[in-house]
Amino acid sequence: QKEVEQDPGPLSVPEGAIVSLNCTYSNSAFQYFMWYRQYSRKGPELLMYTYSSGNKEDGRFTAQVDKSSKYISLFIRDSQPSDSATYLCAMLRGTGNQFYFGTGTSLTVIP
Amino acid sequence: TAGITQAPTSQILAAGRSMTLRCTQDMRHNAMYWYRQDLGLGLRLIHYSNTAGTTGKGEVPDGYSVSRANTDDFPLTLASAVPSQTSVYFCASSGTVGLSPLHFGNGTRLTVT
Repeated sequence: QKEVEQDPGPLSVPEGAIVSLNCTYSNSAFQYFMWYRQYSRKGPELLMYTYSSGNKEDGRFTAQVDKSSKYISLFIRDSQPSDSATYLCAMLRGTGNQFYFGTGTSLTVIP
Repeated sequence: TAGITQAPTSQILAAGRSMTLRCTQDMRHNAMYWYRQDLGLGLRLIHYSNTAGTTGKGEVPDGYSVSRANTDDFPLTLASAVPSQTSVYFCASSGTVGLSPLHFGNGTRLTVT
């Protein structure tokens, strides 16, 4: 079993929709949770970085962590065509420097 | 703009040849990493360095070597390339080990023929 599971999609939504992207994990030691956005032929770009459970909001993006369910989500409100990309979740235990990545979800926002 | 610079952006390499992928960061981050990204397999760690002068092996280190002579540079060398090393290679850095997120460069797309 992989430590981090992420549905690869692809996910296709109309412009203006609310998008929900999700990852599950198996290791309860994970303390730090990240979401990256990766455009085609570019490197992953850090979108959100959260510690422990709860919500964090940044503009149209909200990251949610539920440690009891070992489940994290990224919500995108009022989605735009420029949000079309692959979204990667990542996790860190807080000791050592090994990052655990999901394989990414491909999102297309249709104008 | 501060960040990570990788060179070259793409390369076609004959099998058996050697090559060094370059990576420079200007964020004064302690830790640096090399990942490869392959379809369906995601990002896999090749080598890392927690600080200048030290390096460590990641998940897929075979066929690759690294050095960390100073804080800013972290080159990745393929001594004798094989077709299975065809991939997109990303260099990344992070501040405080274990507590800070990764920041990535834009990658080197390598094809080994």
